Amino acid sequence: GQQLNQSPQSMFIQEGEDVSMNCTSSSIFNTWLWYKQDPGEGPVLLIALYKAGELTSNGRLTAQFGITRKDSFLNISASIPSDVGIYFCAGHRKTSYDKVIFGPGTSLSVIP
Amino acid sequence: SAVISQKPSRDICQRGTSLTIQCQVDSQVTMMFWYRQQPGQSLTLIATANQGSEATYESGFVIDKFPISRPNLTFSTLTVSNMSPEDSSIYLCSVAGLAGGSYEQYFGPGTRLTVT
Repeated sequence: GQQLNQSPQSMFIQEGEDVSMNCTSSSIFNTWLWYKQDPGEGPVLLIALYKAGELTSNGRLTAQFGITRKDSFLNISASIPSDVGIYFCAGHRKTSYDKVIFGPGTSLSVIP
Repeated sequence: SAVISQKPSRDICQRGTSLTIQCQVDSQVTMMFWYRQQPGQSLTLIATANQGSEATYESGFVIDKFPISRPNLTFSTLTVSNMSPEDSSIYLCSVAGLAGGSYEQYFGPGTRLTVT
């Protein structure tokens, strides 16, 4: 079946540093979704991308829809302690009947 | 976006018992799903909750173990039946839709289940 890969699997960074993570697939997607999950909470939708090459920002977060439609990137600038959590990418194909495919997640730790 | 609430938020249950989890959405939604998230893992789709008809289950999940109801467009329940310690997970309700052709999916806060 379809799978998404996320890298890195985990990362430890100093507060104030920028963060980059990516999500890749062997299949083409029409939508990329990025979520953040805090411990004990449900995933929260951060950014949604709908067009190849699209670059979308949400505060300090910027995500891009890869040109090949098989990948997506999430950047966090000037990290702060509350950025700690697990970041999941998810891909959706075309129709409302297609299921979203989730990546395994990237765990982010921020050292004050 | 949709506001999703789940009850209970957490529970500790004994082996062999059943627990019903409720999901309430603040607006009518077409697509409603139930996910399981085992410790340290990603999200696994259990089933799509269909309004007025039987849920559509993913491979590895069966109706006898995870019966689902969806009486209307804003409410659904998931029952975890005859529980064993392997059922200890977070169970998440999710809703999705196409707003102007753009797909979005949102999650509830989850129900943390521990089976002893």
